[in-house]
Amino acid sequence: GNSVTQMEGPVTLSEEAFLTINCTYTATGYPSLFWYVQYPGEGLQLLLKATKADDKGSNKGFEATYRKETTSFHLEKGSVQVSDSAVYFCALRDPGGGNKLTFGTGTQLKVEL
Amino acid sequence: DAGVIQSPRHEVTEMGQEVTLRCKPISGHDYLFWYRQTMMRGLELLIYFNNNVPIDDSGMPEDRFSAKMPNASFSTLKIQPSEPRDSAVYFCASSLITGELFFGEGSRLTVL
Repeated sequence: GNSVTQMEGPVTLSEEAFLTINCTYTATGYPSLFWYVQYPGEGLQLLLKATKADDKGSNKGFEATYRKETTSFHLEKGSVQVSDSAVYFCALRDPGGGNKLTFGTGTQLKVEL
Repeated sequence: DAGVIQSPRHEVTEMGQEVTLRCKPISGHDYLFWYRQTMMRGLELLIYFNNNVPIDDSGMPEDRFSAKMPNASFSTLKIQPSEPRDSAVYFCASSLITGELFFGEGSRLTVL
């Protein structure tokens, strides 16, 4: 079956540090890949997505590139801010599975001054 | 435009009681999803509907859980009887076909 594996958190960084959150997946076919973010007390919201190999999704300074050869979709940001503190979820959508998403376990990011 | 609306936001109940969680999806969305979030198991898909019809309920943990979508603007998730291990945050989400999922703010359930 489909699965998503994320690095465990929490990840604690100083403001302006470089961020990488690793995500790898297992799926049949060619899934679409997503990063969602959850701020405290809120639901998840889409951060970025990529629908085919070598696509780069980007939003709010965050980027992730769909790497089919390594089945990865790592999230990066060059300079994090305190306001980026949240839980980040990697997810995939199986092209043959309706519109349902399979999520990773989430990685908590804490950014300190 | 209103997002996905869930109620109640918080529910505290005793073991054995019936719990009903409610969701109003975004108007025009034809997919509706129920997810459960716990520290131990992360975010799990319980069931999803397409055009009010349940498509995949393989994630529903057991017969104590049931979900309905009587019309395009309303869905319920019911737990009867509730148990302490059902304590979690339950999220409803809606989407258009192959579109972004929009999540509600969640219903935090505590079963004592």
